[in-house]
Amino acid sequence: NAGVTQTPKFQVLKTGQSMTLQCAQDMNHNSMYWYRQDPGMGLRLIYYSASEGTTDKGEVPNGYNVSRLNKREFSLRLESAAPSQTSVYFCASTGTGLNEQFFGPGTRLTVL
Amino acid sequence: QKEVEQNSGPLSVPEGAIASLNCTYSDRGSQSFFWYRQYSGKSPELIMFIYSNGDKEDGRFTAQLNKASQYVSLLIRDSQPSDSATYLCAVKGRGGSARQLTFGSGTQLTVLP
Repeated sequence: NAGVTQTPKFQVLKTGQSMTLQCAQDMNHNSMYWYRQDPGMGLRLIYYSASEGTTDKGEVPNGYNVSRLNKREFSLRLESAAPSQTSVYFCASTGTGLNEQFFGPGTRLTVL
Repeated sequence: QKEVEQNSGPLSVPEGAIASLNCTYSDRGSQSFFWYRQYSGKSPELIMFIYSNGDKEDGRFTAQLNKASQYVSLLIRDSQPSDSATYLCAVKGRGGSARQLTFGSGTQLTVLP
């Protein structure tokens, strides 16, 4: 039981490049989330998916797109990376009726 | 005004002391409250959650909630160096935002041997 996995662990991009961050969970959870964490800012919600087939914007969605590919997988895409998107990105999931969000190990992204 | 506020610290306590971490929130209708611990370079992990006024104890950890004052705290008794981490307060909203958690910016705790 791997829990929540994320790939890649580290990535360096140049301004304007695109990339997709992958997230998968094997806990049969309905809801999945993407957060970014910047120094002194805590975790800020980018997008979430309450169930397969649905996605909703969070606090900071600009510059990002998401896809809930199936119940297990939730990807985050940066179409044209900007230095302001340098951050640590966490994926999380939670099951119906559960209080705990389980987090993946994170992706450390640097945009030059 | 931020929705969830925490003192950023750093907070330093000697080993064996009680560490007190505080959090205030702005949405009076918030339903559930969470404390996460995050070690440097790692992902957050849940320590406790609370949704009723009063105290909730789990081992060395006690969460306290006062909805009238919109205040939630975490007490760590007999603090250990292994408790040194950033502690994140999170609040679950109501209605459409009930699926979301809003996090504070975290309090960095250092327990000195």
